[in-house]
Amino acid sequence: GQQVMQIPQYQHVQEGEDFTTYCNSSTTLSNIQWYKQRPGGHPVFLIQLVKSGEVKKQKRLTFQFGEAKKNSSLHITATQTTDVGTYFCAGQVFYAGGTSYGKLTFGQGTILTVHP
Amino acid sequence: EAGVAQSPRYKIIEKRQSVAFWCNPISGHATLYWYQQILGQGPKLLIQFQNNGVVDDSQLPKDRFSAERLKGVDSTLKIQPAKLEDSAVYLCASSQKGFANTGELFFGEGSRLTVL
Repeated sequence: GQQVMQIPQYQHVQEGEDFTTYCNSSTTLSNIQWYKQRPGGHPVFLIQLVKSGEVKKQKRLTFQFGEAKKNSSLHITATQTTDVGTYFCAGQVFYAGGTSYGKLTFGQGTILTVHP
Repeated sequence: EAGVAQSPRYKIIEKRQSVAFWCNPISGHATLYWYQQILGQGPKLLIQFQNNGVVDDSQLPKDRFSAERLKGVDSTLKIQPAKLEDSAVYLCASSQKGFANTGELFFGEGSRLTVL
């Protein structure tokens, strides 16, 4: 079945440093989503990328979708303590059948800690 | 707009006992998901409903887990009998869309299960 791998598993940074997490899928994706989960919380949607080579920015966050639609990255510039949490990518694959649907598979996440 | 509601928030049971979790998705959302999140891991899809039909239950341990979505609205996930490895947070999510692109998933707060 489809697998989504994320690296690194952990990242410790000093406040102000940059942070990047990478996501790789075993299969070509129809789209990829990114979520943030604060400690003790639930995943919260950040963004969805659909097009090959797409780049989107949200303030200090930059998201990229690979040309082959099998990998993605999230880069945070100048981290702040509010960035602490686990960042998950989730790759969506389209299944065609009796009932067609999109299936979202999550990576194992990258835990970000930020030291003030 | 009300979010995804889940109950109970916490449940402690002994192995071989049974437990049920309830989820009420956001009104009008076509697709409902149950994910299992073991500590330190990414959410793993257990079952996905599109309206009141099951589109994916390939990772649901059907010998002990069951789920239903009555009238295409709220849903119940049951575990009987529970095993120690079922200790996890059970996340319910819903999305407005279905078909190939589910769009953003909205997660509930989760139900934390501890099996002793």
